[in-house]
Amino acid sequence: DGGITQSPKYLFRKEGQNVTLSCEQNLNHDAMYWYRQDPGQGLRLIYYSQIVNDFQKGDIAEGYSVSREKKESFPLTVTSAQKNPTAFYLCASSIGLAGGPWETQYFGPGTRLLVL
Amino acid sequence: AQTVTQSQPEMSVQEAETVTLSCTYDTSESDYYLFWYKQPPSRQMILVIRQEAYKQQNATENRFSVNFQKAAKSFSLKISDSQLGDAAMYFCAYRSASGGSQGNLIFGKGTKLSVKP
Repeated sequence: DGGITQSPKYLFRKEGQNVTLSCEQNLNHDAMYWYRQDPGQGLRLIYYSQIVNDFQKGDIAEGYSVSREKKESFPLTVTSAQKNPTAFYLCASSIGLAGGPWETQYFGPGTRLLVL
Repeated sequence: AQTVTQSQPEMSVQEAETVTLSCTYDTSESDYYLFWYKQPPSRQMILVIRQEAYKQQNATENRFSVNFQKAAKSFSLKISDSQLGDAAMYFCAYRSASGGSQGNLIFGKGTKLSVKP
């Protein structure tokens, strides 16, 4: 089945530690996205990537980093510089970023990050 | 910058009845897309329905339909014959048709829908 997988489902971070959230898709989509969701809030964009080896900052990129070495994979690292990392993180993908009606974003199941 | 507002933090509906969730948005663009996403307790975001701004006809997907009022910048979601499985957070989202960074989704804060048996 085609889809987006995220792992782990739950992740615990110690103070000063970097952690990496995994996102994989087998939909052959070019574009991938990372969102953060806080309680009572909508989703906010952290980073997005239109193509392999290219990515752009979203609205709240500080304290996060990403890589896009493969089309299928878009891992997100939460660095120690992110002072309030506790949140729900959602990965999404779309065919591309050209702006057409087919550019609907499909989401993975999410990762819940908690700070110890 | 575009903004999306959902003025109803919580809504409740009786099973088998109809409920309407409100969404308004602010934009200076003429071409864009609007979405309703559902987030059940599992927290996975599921696309419910999509509307292209250049289409006057309101989108419909089975029991879900929208009332798109472009001049009023309003995009409400109507759920008919509500079912227990409809209970979830519902998010309204906007996306520019321009592509590039403007093509990213802008979300409202959500409406929590409860369905009473």
